[in-house]
Amino acid sequence: DAGVIQSPRHEVTEMGQEVTLRCKPISGHNSLFWYRQTMMRGLELLIYFNNNVPIDDSGMPEDRFSAKMPNASFSTLKIQPSEPRDSAVYFCASSRYRDTEAFFGQGTRLTVV
Amino acid sequence: TQLLEQSPQFLSIQEGENLTVYCNSSSVFSSLQWYRQEPGEGPVLLVTVVTGGEVKKLKRLTFQFGDARKDSSLHITAAQPGDTGLYLCAGARAAGNKLTFGGGTRVLVKP
Repeated sequence: DAGVIQSPRHEVTEMGQEVTLRCKPISGHNSLFWYRQTMMRGLELLIYFNNNVPIDDSGMPEDRFSAKMPNASFSTLKIQPSEPRDSAVYFCASSRYRDTEAFFGQGTRLTVV
Repeated sequence: TQLLEQSPQFLSIQEGENLTVYCNSSSVFSSLQWYRQEPGEGPVLLVTVVTGGEVKKLKRLTFQFGDARKDSSLHITAAQPGDTGLYLCAGARAAGNKLTFGGGTRVLVKP
């Protein structure tokens, strides 16, 4: 298996633009997580899905953030409109169950100018 | 305040020295995991501990889960530059609960 695949690896966008981050989890994994990592706040859980259903989105900072998982092999995290404070590395991770080993993608480094 | 507190936040040592990083909580965890993250990459699992008092060794790395399952430590013997990275602990409060990550310890091993 290729592991968790995220795209793009890097994204630079202007404030106010819409940003869509994509993730392909490992086949057979039931749980998918979106994290945001910054030096100041560390690794923060934004939202996680179990069997494609959003279970806990309490970490989503604002209504500007939304996430979908239309099927077991694809998820998106959208920010609209983006702001400079959204600049961070966004990770997607998947696991067989929500408390077992999490396999992380390589992340998307987002810069909003 | 984070559910899992890691200390120290940053550690810089010379090659060959030993180091210990800690992961503490006031809550009990059913299991605890340690991850290492290298620059430009996502965290990668090193070990999972599930039993209070459990000790696991991975080459020069020794992981211990506290008897009360509220804390854990990672000890590295004779550190090497390749051990440089961000060490993260993560725990599940109960089986089936999502993982909660600590703030991480950034380790720099200088040659």
